[in-house]
Amino acid sequence: QVQLRESGPGLVKPSETLSLTCSVSGGSFSTYYWTWIRQPPGKGLEWIGDVYYRGSTTYNPSLKSRVTISVDMSKKQFSLKMNSVTAADTAVYFCARQSAYSYGYAYWGQGTLVTVSS
Amino acid sequence: DIQMTQSPSSLSASVGDRVTITCQASQDINVYLSWYQQKPGKAPNLLIYDADASNLETGAPSRFSGSGSGTYFTFTISSLQPEDVATYYCQQYDILPRTFGQGTKVEI
Repeated sequence: QVQLRESGPGLVKPSETLSLTCSVSGGSFSTYYWTWIRQPPGKGLEWIGDVYYRGSTTYNPSLKSRVTISVDMSKKQFSLKMNSVTAADTAVYFCARQSAYSYGYAYWGQGTLVTVSS
Repeated sequence: DIQMTQSPSSLSASVGDRVTITCQASQDINVYLSWYQQKPGKAPNLLIYDADASNLETGAPSRFSGSGSGTYFTFTISSLQPEDVATYYCQQYDILPRTFGQGTKVEI
């Protein structure tokens, strides 16, 4: 059973860096793309980007200048860093994995709310 | 970016009703579309992948189905149940960045 769990600070000050980690248990860590998605309170879903298990990354152009996604296969973890945050980055952040047979996201963490406020 | 436009934004129906949601892509995405159900405070749950009714995710009830290709897609609940109250999203994964529809809130 594949399980994902986000961890990291729930409160970040404006202009600082948001850092989250997703820990993966069960299933294979290799072969797949590992993804970050966010959802501002009461709003829709926004794809942030993903990292292949070998380390190559793809980012949403709207966030690319501020985002870094990295992977640590030895720990079965992948991470998100977003710098220069503002109140607009307040959201529930989800980590996710595609299914074994499509690019639909079959596995999700429970989500973690990150609030940007001084 | 590919814009995904869902319709309607919200709907209210009765138990047992047939409910249909549409999703229109701003350009051709072949069949590379998924449908998700999201209940309040929870992560989205994958229901259908690669657009088609035959691609029902494991564990998803058979009353959920999908169809379409190119730019026009539909999602149907054949007989609405109380536990189907949720927000439903379409998502394309043909072209980066992946993009989601704005969501359709289904109420009873």
